[in-house]
Amino acid sequence: SQQGEEDPQALSIQEGENATMNCSYKTSINNLQWYRQNSGRGLVHLILIRSNEREKHSGRLRVTLDTSKKSSSLLITASRAADTASYFCATVFSSNTGKLIFGQGTTLQVKP
Amino acid sequence: DADVTQTPRNRITKTGKRIMLECSQTKGHDRMYWYRQDPGLGLRLIYYSFDVKDINKGEISDGYSVSRQAQAKFSLSLESAIPNQTALYFCATSDFTSRETQYFGPGTRLLVL
Repeated sequence: SQQGEEDPQALSIQEGENATMNCSYKTSINNLQWYRQNSGRGLVHLILIRSNEREKHSGRLRVTLDTSKKSSSLLITASRAADTASYFCATVFSSNTGKLIFGQGTTLQVKP
Repeated sequence: DADVTQTPRNRITKTGKRIMLECSQTKGHDRMYWYRQDPGLGLRLIYYSFDVKDINKGEISDGYSVSRQAQAKFSLSLESAIPNQTALYFCATSDFTSRETQYFGPGTRLLVL
């Protein structure tokens, strides 16, 4: 069964606005990652946050992790049309195995 | 990521046929994975391999088999394809030193009639 659930399933915003998507998971994790998928293509790793971290930044991306609530959020600031894609959170239980458990994803549309 | 390639990119086959999807990587990674993606279900792990002699089942291995022919090659076989195996299949790799981050191929779109 899948670990993560993402919210919302779909999001449509105007260029320049911020986009926030959320991920909840069920069991303790070693780390949580976010991936982007452009339509029908392979996934691209965006950012990784470890269980002992609360916030991480990478360019226009900001990820938070609340292990007490078993949830994470991905914020994309000043969105661009090129950010249009599906975004997936993925959790890792054990760094020994490296197995990723994916959520269902959030589809983001950024209108120019 | 051009370092991870998958062939074929698209495939149409009939129920009962045996097919093989291939994955090759030039990243020098030791770990390789096969996922399938269905609309609304995210990605689910089929099989994974940590080296040539190591093969492990994932969440949904029934109806699939794999072969790790070399460190750089990992093949997925459908012994007798069925329509509910219609999906988008992805290969991914990771490295022992940065094992949590995976690098994905472009995917194979499979249609089983």
